[in-house]
Amino acid sequence: GAVVSQHPSWVICKSGTSVKIECRSLDFQATTMFWYRQFPKQSLMLMATSNEGSKATYEQGVEKDKFLINHASLTLSTLTVTSAHPEDSSFYICSASRGGVPNQPQHFGDGTRLSIL
Amino acid sequence: AQSVAQPEDQVNVAEGNPLTVKCTYSVSGNPYLFWYVQYPNRGLQFLLKYITGDNLVKGSYGFEAEFNKSQTSFHLKKPSALVSDSALYFCAVSTGGGNKLTFGTGTQLKVEL
Repeated sequence: GAVVSQHPSWVICKSGTSVKIECRSLDFQATTMFWYRQFPKQSLMLMATSNEGSKATYEQGVEKDKFLINHASLTLSTLTVTSAHPEDSSFYICSASRGGVPNQPQHFGDGTRLSIL
Repeated sequence: AQSVAQPEDQVNVAEGNPLTVKCTYSVSGNPYLFWYVQYPNRGLQFLLKYITGDNLVKGSYGFEAEFNKSQTSFHLKKPSALVSDSALYFCAVSTGGGNKLTFGTGTQLKVEL
């Protein structure tokens, strides 16, 4: 089955630090990747849609200068949380869809637990 | 706008009994419906999808779901629950297979001996 790898799985850092999270599709090309944020005992909130070779599309209320997304290749998207603060602590999950194949489900990474001290 | 409702925060069932996790949706046009399962501190695992065709969809780990257009529902079912099925289940809808998903709030399934 399709595999999406997300790294790191856990990050603890000081306030003001920038943190980069990687999302890789290991066995398929992903023209579109999605970034979600999940709060404890809550559903997934879509932050942005990342398209290879173009700017990400951010959902309303998500600061694009705070959450930088880069999708430079068909297998890699990165999310950088800039100048992170404790309120940015959360579980971040990426997903990817196969390019060029209709009706495929999104495949999810295992998430990154971000804790800002 | 598309939306998904999962009316039950938690479902408890005894092992060996059938289980149902409810989902209703609202979308303009034809719905693409999905069920995902999430274990603690993990991402989501795909269980099954409905795109078109037979209303009864079979998926992974013995799960199935029935698409009911008139009731705009897509309930998840399993004939015989296992303790290992205990997890958080999400229903999701989109208007295309590669398009953005809208998730329900999730239903915590607890299967007890």
